[in-house]
Amino acid sequence: GENVEQHPSTLSVQEGDSAVIKCTYSDSASNYFPWYKQELGKRPQLIIDIRSNVGEKKDQRIAVTLNKTAKHFSLHITETQPEDSAVYFCSKYNNNDMRFGAGTRLTVKP
Amino acid sequence: DGGITQSPKYLFRKEGQNVTLSCEQNLNHDAMYWYRQDPGQGLRLIYYSQIVNDFQKGDIAEGYSVSREKKESFPLTVTSAQKNPTAFYLCASSIFRQNQPQHFGDGTRLSIL
Repeated sequence: GENVEQHPSTLSVQEGDSAVIKCTYSDSASNYFPWYKQELGKRPQLIIDIRSNVGEKKDQRIAVTLNKTAKHFSLHITETQPEDSAVYFCSKYNNNDMRFGAGTRLTVKP
Repeated sequence: DGGITQSPKYLFRKEGQNVTLSCEQNLNHDAMYWYRQDPGQGLRLIYYSQIVNDFQKGDIAEGYSVSREKKESFPLTVTSAQKNPTAFYLCASSIFRQNQPQHFGDGTRLSIL
């Protein structure tokens, strides 16, 4: 299967600022894009997902945008808080093949 | 996600030894997965199973084996053929239908003695 590229690998922001993580892929068949948050030593947990028939989805301080033509999608976190510090993984789904990005370590400094 | 239980939390392997990691789910999910997580490399798929008594190799299956005798259970054996087994292993499950997220266990950290 085709992999997904995730950037940046590390991101440090000041509390209250916004954070943006971007992912790109190459196959046009992928149609489902979940994002997972993994705190240190814990399991990845789904925080938001988007399907290919929409361009944007929001859930409080978290939003995801999808550009199917350009084959990229992004996670946006506004008004960041120290508890947002974690590793974030993007993923894409093509039929029963799910691929993950390498992860972004987000640090929110108080 | 209390529906998926991995054990043990920490495991140590000696040279030439096979070890088995347990994964049990009570979510009534058809599909189960095993991933290996190394620093800076995200999640890599080892094996997955979509129904009982059937499983498929993922990207890095060499040195690993699985079984799926029951819907609830998907144990992973790390064999002596796996020369670099030190990693964090994550089990996941999902509804076997397109566009459904995976639910993860707490993971098992395997180290070599």
